[in-house]
Amino acid sequence: NAGVMQNPRHLVRRRGQEARLRCSPMKGHSHVYWYRQLPEEGLKFMVYLQKENIIDESGMPKERFSAEFPKEGPSILRIQQVVRGDSAAYFCASSPTDGNTIYFGEGSWLTVV
Amino acid sequence: AQRVTQPEKLLSVFKGAPVELKCNYSYSGSPELFWYVQYSRQRLQLLLRHISRESIKGFTADLNKGETSFHLKKPFAQEEDSAMYYCALSKAAGNKLTFGGGTRVLVKP
Repeated sequence: NAGVMQNPRHLVRRRGQEARLRCSPMKGHSHVYWYRQLPEEGLKFMVYLQKENIIDESGMPKERFSAEFPKEGPSILRIQQVVRGDSAAYFCASSPTDGNTIYFGEGSWLTVV
Repeated sequence: AQRVTQPEKLLSVFKGAPVELKCNYSYSGSPELFWYVQYSRQRLQLLLRHISRESIKGFTADLNKGETSFHLKKPFAQEEDSAMYYCALSKAAGNKLTFGGGTRVLVKP
């Protein structure tokens, strides 16, 4: 099992561009979570998805951010019109249907210049 | 609302000294408690789950429901224990985790 795979690991975007972060959960996992880690801060929950459904998006900023987990393919976290404050590490995690141990990916570091 | 508090942002200890990382939580039900460790710019790794009651890398944590605490302890710190440690709470199986702010542990030689 390859673990939770995130790409790209590092992404640089200019202000106003779009950032797309991808996450492939562990094999057999149908729950995906996205967390954001701002510099010198802890992890903040953003969104929890199952296949084709958003279960909890209480941590997502109201504008510019969206997430999806399609029937086929990875989960995507999309940030439109990025600003410097979006610079952070974005961690994806997954869990199996019937367990509560959450496994994390290695993160995607977004830098907005 | 559920909340996890780690009062110490930084703990600096000498090698061989005991280390205790504090974690307090607030939640109305019976939560699942976890400790995660993050070495420099790496993924978070699960260190402990309170329900498993096991010791990993010499670390132990006891859930104290009366004090709503889940402190992490190790009697003899090693340099390789230097990392960020996060306490986390989950209210149900397969549910989201709420993290504390993290404690950076620095073990000096």
